[in-house]
Amino acid sequence: SAVISQKPSRDICQRGTSLTIQCQVDSQVTMMFWYRQQPGQSLTLIATANQGSEATYESGFVIDKFPISRPNLTFSTLTVSNMSPEDSSIYLCSVEDPGPPVKSYNEQFFGPGTRLTVL
Amino acid sequence: GIQVEQSPPDLILQEGANSTLRCNFSDSVNNLQWFHQNPWGQLINLFYIPSGTKQNGRLSATTVATERYSLLYISSSQTTDSGVYFCAGGSQGNLIFGKGTKLSVKP
Repeated sequence: SAVISQKPSRDICQRGTSLTIQCQVDSQVTMMFWYRQQPGQSLTLIATANQGSEATYESGFVIDKFPISRPNLTFSTLTVSNMSPEDSSIYLCSVEDPGPPVKSYNEQFFGPGTRLTVL
Repeated sequence: GIQVEQSPPDLILQEGANSTLRCNFSDSVNNLQWFHQNPWGQLINLFYIPSGTKQNGRLSATTVATERYSLLYISSSQTTDSGVYFCAGGSQGNLIFGKGTKLSVKP
């Protein structure tokens, strides 16, 4: 399975500022995903990031607030812009296991998460 | 979109007891996974099980795809099993998560 790291692991930020979260994978993967987990809640998909194309955002999430970059097959960043206390969450990236074997939909693995607190 | 319902929402067990967690889907899914989130927030993969039955030690899972549900069995529970168990599934590569089952195992 892919090994995923995220930076930073946690941060405390002031409202109105922005934070960029990095996700690094130890193998090339086609699909990377960004999720948010608000305190005491389940995980919600923010967007899907494919290399070489614009990220696809889920309902309720917009590019101006959560810009995503995917410069190559092992790396992605998520920026949380103009933060407010409501953005305090754990942000997780995930990837599809590239295989083998290559299947239509593969098992997803998650990074350790970035715990963000906005004051 | 697909809706995922998990039950029960909370479960308290005495160490050594067995339990069954359930996950229902509103529509067919191509991928289905069970996760354990530990107290530090890390999501640990338990099973990738779009259909059929799998076992891993004290844990096993069964998915009946035609009836759109999956079950996670925990036998001889231990205090280290405590945490939140999520099921998640999807039909387009993404995962829709249920709200989770919070399990507390008492010594």
